[in-house]
Amino acid sequence: GAGVSQTPSNKVTEKGKYVELRCDPISGHTALYWYRQSLGQGPEFLIYFQGTGAADDSGLPNDRFFAVRPEGSVSTLKIQRTERGDSAVYLCASSPTNYPDTQYFGPGTRLTVL
Amino acid sequence: AQRVTQPEKLLSVFKGAPVELKCNYSYSGSPELFWYVQYSRQRLQLLLRHISRESIKGFTADLNKGETSFHLKKPFAQEEDSAMYYCALSTNVNYGGSQGNLIFGKGTKLSVKP
Repeated sequence: GAGVSQTPSNKVTEKGKYVELRCDPISGHTALYWYRQSLGQGPEFLIYFQGTGAADDSGLPNDRFFAVRPEGSVSTLKIQRTERGDSAVYLCASSPTNYPDTQYFGPGTRLTVL
Repeated sequence: AQRVTQPEKLLSVFKGAPVELKCNYSYSGSPELFWYVQYSRQRLQLLLRHISRESIKGFTADLNKGETSFHLKKPFAQEEDSAMYYCALSTNVNYGGSQGNLIFGKGTKLSVKP
């Protein structure tokens, strides 16, 4: 079956611009997670959705970052006024339920801020 | 603070040699621990989790609460085991943790030489 998909696979933008990253979870998975992976680091938690609501957004680094999941399926991570330090691979994962189910990861979106 | 430590960035062994990838965690509650693997040009995927006590692709990992460790072991490494390995911790919501988000170590790159 289809796994988690993320678009775009690569995004290059200029400092100060706005970007949106999209995640399509596995059909029927209620839990959705966003992580950020910088070079040489493990994935770092950003935000977790259970259904349509953000159950935990404690990992978002600042108010430039925001994510939505309006219909409980597709999610969009939005970054305003991008900075060079935002450059990273953004990973999305979904699981059938919440803790402690296996998380299935997407291929990631590589964001480069020039 | 909740933390996962993987002390080795790179581990290089010859085919047929035993492998041990180290993982230590810091968490005061009851942890759920996982090993995720990322093969070249593939997405991050679950290798094994301690609660299932399975052996996957010949790998095993035992949770040692006294030493707060969850080392990954394989008696005879194969070339196809070459990959990036991440240890991850999921905290128990009853101890104030989040519902299922993973805390990752920085990863260990395993290289198995012929």
